[in-house]
Amino acid sequence: QKEVEQNSGPLSVPEGAIASLNCTYSDRGSQSFFWYRQYSGKSPELIMSIYSNGDKEDGRFTAQLNKASQYVSLLIRDSQPSDSATYLCAPLGGKLTFGTGTQLKVEL
Amino acid sequence: EAQVTQNPRYLITVTGKKLTVTCSQNMNHEYMSWYRQDPGLGLRQIYYSMNVEVTDKGDVPEGYKVSRKEKRNFPLILESPSPNQTSLYFCASSLSVGELNTGELFFGEGSRLTVL
Repeated sequence: QKEVEQNSGPLSVPEGAIASLNCTYSDRGSQSFFWYRQYSGKSPELIMSIYSNGDKEDGRFTAQLNKASQYVSLLIRDSQPSDSATYLCAPLGGKLTFGTGTQLKVEL
Repeated sequence: EAQVTQNPRYLITVTGKKLTVTCSQNMNHEYMSWYRQDPGLGLRQIYYSMNVEVTDKGDVPEGYKVSRKEKRNFPLILESPSPNQTSLYFCASSLSVGELNTGELFFGEGSRLTVL
């Protein structure tokens, strides 16, 4: 089993809607997670980090961590076409491995 | 400017011709890592280094070598490249992966390698 699992998508949402991206993980010892955004052909960039159970909000982005169920999610409110990208989930840890990423398409 | 620099950005080579992709960071980061990215497979880790002279295999180390003689540099070596190593490669660094640090990865711009 891979350390981190993500649905590869594509996930299509209309402009202005809420996009929900999910990530499940197998290592119960994982304490913190990061969400990276990657535009096609570009390098990933960090958009959110979450270090404890619960929700963390930053502008239009909300990260949610549920350690009991071993999943972490990213909500994007008021989705914009510029949010169209691949979103990668990664746990903090020695190897810093990534999920395969979910491709998000925000349609006009 | 804080950055991770990879070279070359683009390279076309032939099977068996040794090549090195350099990676340098100017942030005094302890942790450095190499990833390859292929369509449908996401970012896969090749090798990583927790500090100088400490390297470990990632998920796909076959056909690659690395070294970490200095903190700032982490070159990726393909001794005898093959067509299945055609990919987009990213180098990344982080201050630390310990509990007291953010663990945020800073990425280079990527190196697109084609092996004919």
